[in-house]
Amino acid sequence: GEDVEQSLFLSVREGDSSVINCTYTDSSSTYLYWYKQEPGAGLQLLTYIFSNMDMKQDQRLTVLLNKKDKHLSLRIADTQTGDSAIYFCAVDQGGKLIFGQGTELSVKP
Amino acid sequence: EAQVTQNPRYLITVTGKKLTVTCSQNMNHEYMSWYRQDPGLGLRQIYYSMNVEVTDKGDVPEGYKVSRKEKRNFPLILESPSPNQTSLYFCASSSETSALGGQYFGPGTRLTVL
Repeated sequence: GEDVEQSLFLSVREGDSSVINCTYTDSSSTYLYWYKQEPGAGLQLLTYIFSNMDMKQDQRLTVLLNKKDKHLSLRIADTQTGDSAIYFCAVDQGGKLIFGQGTELSVKP
Repeated sequence: EAQVTQNPRYLITVTGKKLTVTCSQNMNHEYMSWYRQDPGLGLRQIYYSMNVEVTDKGDVPEGYKVSRKEKRNFPLILESPSPNQTSLYFCASSSETSALGGQYFGPGTRLTVL
């Protein structure tokens, strides 16, 4: 079945850019997603990209998709302390969502 | 306000005592699903439902039951809970007949089985 992998931790300084990476195995996914989970809360859909796109930009967020390498990334520009959270990538597989383990982003002032 | 609600938010119980976690959405969504979140494993899907009276197993369905008698509600039932079901549970819904449109998540239910 589908396997989605993320590194578990990332630490950056406030104002720097953060890049969170994700790799997946199933190339047939139509949509690929990024979710954010703040402490004690559920998951919030941040953005998603269609599989026929290479890049999507939404304010401070940039999603890059390399289909050949099955690699998805989320770049957060000018990272703020409020961006500290766990970020999950997810891919669809036959109408279901398969999630990565989540990357905990820590933003230091 | 569009939302997915879950009850209870926290529950401590003992092995073998049947429990139900309720989930309700007010967005008239077709698709609903249950996930469990465990450290280092991300979210794993337990069951999902594409419409009323239509449910199907996710990746980790053992020990759980669900029902979808009404569009808005999708309760998760643990007939005989065991300690390995201690976890953080999330209900989610989507306007599509699958998860493709992106899902709205409830706030989570933290379950401890002693």
